[in-house]
Amino acid sequence: DAKTTQPTSMDCAEGRAANLPCNHSTISGNEYVYWYRQIHSQGPQYIIHGLKNNETNEMASLIITEDRKSSTLILPHATLRDTAVYYCIVRDDKIIFGKGTRLHILP
Amino acid sequence: NAGVTQTPKFQVLKTGQSMTLQCAQDMNHNSMYWYRQDPGMGLRLIYYSASEGTTDKGEVPNGYNVSRLNKREFSLRLESAAPSQTSVYFCASRVFYRGGLNSKSYNEQFFGPGTRLTVL
Repeated sequence: DAKTTQPTSMDCAEGRAANLPCNHSTISGNEYVYWYRQIHSQGPQYIIHGLKNNETNEMASLIITEDRKSSTLILPHATLRDTAVYYCIVRDDKIIFGKGTRLHILP
Repeated sequence: NAGVTQTPKFQVLKTGQSMTLQCAQDMNHNSMYWYRQDPGMGLRLIYYSASEGTTDKGEVPNGYNVSRLNKREFSLRLESAAPSQTSVYFCASRVFYRGGLNSKSYNEQFFGPGTRLTVL
């Protein structure tokens, strides 16, 4: 079973920061938080992952709370091409996808 | 590198027919996975192979068999296709490095383009 809870959908204005939340209250100490996205019918694409420190790469930033029970993926300047389903995953071996958040970027 | 490749891209079967979906990766990854995705749904894990010579069931293994032929190839077989198996099938491979004191663990899955299967 997926170990995460995400909102079903979110809207964000183009050019603004998109903040996607994820709850993972049962995360264990050695489990990482991963984010993937799936753009219309394509295979999912890795975005970022982290353990307990905040992480940033060329695509996004990941903020993990101190108790590690939740995290937020931040797309700093959302564009129309960021319209996708975003999956938050907590698992170390076999990666189980939940239903994700459908992000709509509004022009 | 081609990454993860899948064949065929599209397939239509009649109920009861059998077929094998092929997947290959050229990244020397140990782990490989098969997922299915139904319309409007997330991905569900069918089978996975943590390393060459091993396979394990995922969330929805019934009606499927897999073969990890070698490190590169991981095939998914439908012995007797049913309309409920109409779906998009994604293969993935994974690189995993468990970091040490000064380096972060690296764990990324790479996905193929998918096979769109319709069972009539």
